Amino acid sequence: EIVLTQSPGTLSLSPGERATLSCRASQSVNSDYLAWYQQKPGQAPRLLIYGASTRATGIPDRFSGSGSGTDFTLTVSRLEPEDVAVYYCQQYGYSYIFGQGTKLEIK
Amino acid sequence: QVQLVQSGAEVKKPGASVKVSCKASGYIFTSYYMHWVRQAPGQGLEWMGITYPSSGTANYVQTFQGRVVMTSDTSTSTVYMELSSLRPEDTAVYYCARERPEGYRFDYWGQGALVTVS
Repeated sequence: EIVLTQSPGTLSLSPGERATLSCRASQSVNSDYLAWYQQKPGQAPRLLIYGASTRATGIPDRFSGSGSGTDFTLTVSRLEPEDVAVYYCQQYGYSYIFGQGTKLEIK
Repeated sequence: QVQLVQSGAEVKKPGASVKVSCKASGYIFTSYYMHWVRQAPGQGLEWMGITYPSSGTANYVQTFQGRVVMTSDTSTSTVYMELSSLRPEDTAVYYCARERPEGYRFDYWGQGALVTVS
């Protein structure tokens, strides 16, 4: 079974900075099946990115995804206080697998 | 607009069963798949299984085989997840989440239902 490893575990940045979150798969995955979610405290997850790089409906263009094979990245440019959340990557490969999450803090 | 509204919080004793509902609106119920994902306190997301409202069938993660049943009622556009033989480690928020067929991602989520086993 594929394992998704996200890094770093916690990221602390200042407003206006750029956040780079990594998701590494234990074996090559189809990028069409790679998604990212944002989960704010006390809320359900929200789809941000699918197909590794396509923003979901209503997602600001500050959020972007990239990558292929085993290495994928979520970038949040120009951080805002409302971006405080845990971010999860997810992929499908005969099962639906989530990474363990990256917690994004704003200084 | 698409909405998934789940039933409320439950407190159960070990060995009991719980049934969580998820009522869908704002789209054609049978045209989408519905999943169940759970999240233990302070932990990450764990996929439990998928139900296909158009056929009434379901597939479950091996971990939950024999303890979980996922069903759908097309007359009320509601899906259900019943988990039996509850253990304290089943304490979690249980989410329903929609998937467009062959989309391989969850585009809408319910608000979650906290199940406490104690």
